[in-house]
Amino acid sequence: GAVVSQHPSRVICKSGTSVKIECRSLDFQATTMFWYRQFPKQSLMLMATSNEGSKATYEQGVEKDKFLINHASLTLSTLTVTSAHPEDSSFYICSARDGAGKDIQYFGAGTRLSVL
Amino acid sequence: SQKIEQNSEALNIQEGKTATLTCNYTNYSPAYLQWYRQDPGRGPVFLLLIRENEKEKRKERLKVTFDTTLKQSLFHITASQPADSATYLCAPGDYGQNFVFGPGTRLSVLP
Repeated sequence: GAVVSQHPSRVICKSGTSVKIECRSLDFQATTMFWYRQFPKQSLMLMATSNEGSKATYEQGVEKDKFLINHASLTLSTLTVTSAHPEDSSFYICSARDGAGKDIQYFGAGTRLSVL
Repeated sequence: SQKIEQNSEALNIQEGKTATLTCNYTNYSPAYLQWYRQDPGRGPVFLLLIRENEKEKRKERLKVTFDTTLKQSLFHITASQPADSATYLCAPGDYGQNFVFGPGTRLSVLP
């Protein structure tokens, strides 16, 4: 099946620093990519949807200046957590939808962010 | 607003038995419904997609049903194994639109 690579898998940073997470579709073109956040023992919460070449659409309550999303190509989207604080510590997961008209989303392995 | 419920937060069954997980939705008429498996600290993995005009779909030991009248999907794992232990998420959706994940059911298959 399709593969989505997410990097890094784990990051620990100091409060106030920015962290960038990359999401790549390895064997298909992803016209749409999604970024989710997941707290322990809770389901995935959609943060934003990004389409290649256009601005991301953020879900209600998600600060777009805090969580910068760039989808510069059909195979790469990045999420930058700016000026991270301990409350931003969470599990972040990206997914990509195959541009060939299929509705299946393929997920990355996730990034565990810990802000000290 | 849309609401998705999965029968229980956790389900324990004995190895070899059939696990049945339930997904109910309200205020929604999805064109399809997907089931994903998520292991701890990992992203979800796609398992099955069933469309509104399909009553049942099978894949190896997995079976999914979709009842649009009851607004419910059932997910069965036959001859369950400890390796099937994971959280299972349902996600009703419409073509071209984002879908929303249910809260998940944490399945534990006991040897």
